[in-house]
Amino acid sequence: AQSVTQPDIHITVSEGASLELRCNYSYGATPYLFWYVQSPGQGLQLLLKYFSGDTLVQGIKGFEAEFKRSQSSFNLRKPSVHWSDAAEYFCAVGVSNFGNEKLTFGTGTRLTIIP
Amino acid sequence: EAQVTQNPRYLITVTGKKLTVTCSQNMNHEYMSWYRQDPGLGLRQIYYSMNVEVTDKGDVPEGYKVSRKEKRNFPLILESPSPNQTSLYFCASSLRSGLAQVFGSGTQLSVL
Repeated sequence: AQSVTQPDIHITVSEGASLELRCNYSYGATPYLFWYVQSPGQGLQLLLKYFSGDTLVQGIKGFEAEFKRSQSSFNLRKPSVHWSDAAEYFCAVGVSNFGNEKLTFGTGTRLTIIP
Repeated sequence: EAQVTQNPRYLITVTGKKLTVTCSQNMNHEYMSWYRQDPGLGLRQIYYSMNVEVTDKGDVPEGYKVSRKEKRNFPLILESPSPNQTSLYFCASSLRSGLAQVFGSGTQLSVL
């Protein structure tokens, strides 16, 4: 069965520093991969997605992610974080299961930004 | 504005009292689904619907019902809520498949 692992439950980064959030997936076929962000009290917003093609994907808010098949990873990066990036981040893999194409989510990484 | 609207945002109820959480989307999406979010478990799919009158179980359907009589609406029904259904619930929709879904703002449910 498919699964997504986000090994870091909580990360603290200084404002202006670079960020990398880790995501590893387990899925037998070529996956569809997603990163969502959840700001406090808000729903989930799609940051970026990978379906095929270029393995470096650009998203909104200055985020990017790189798909590495050999490592089964889809890590999220940002060169310089802003205080408004404080949120919870979810990696997800899109799978097809008996006609239901659905998202399987990781458990999330909470990002704290310090001044 | 294209969006998924859930109501209510917050709900406190007692064990056994039937409740409905509404979900509506204005994007003419065919696919709609419900998730629950619990600390340390991420989001888990409860039910999904691929079109009007077509619904099916997700990963954690026990204790929930849904209906899809109209394309835009996908209510979540708890016939007899129990405390283990205390959670944050999200409705989501997408154009056809379950990928790249648009999420509502969530409903925080507490069952006492």
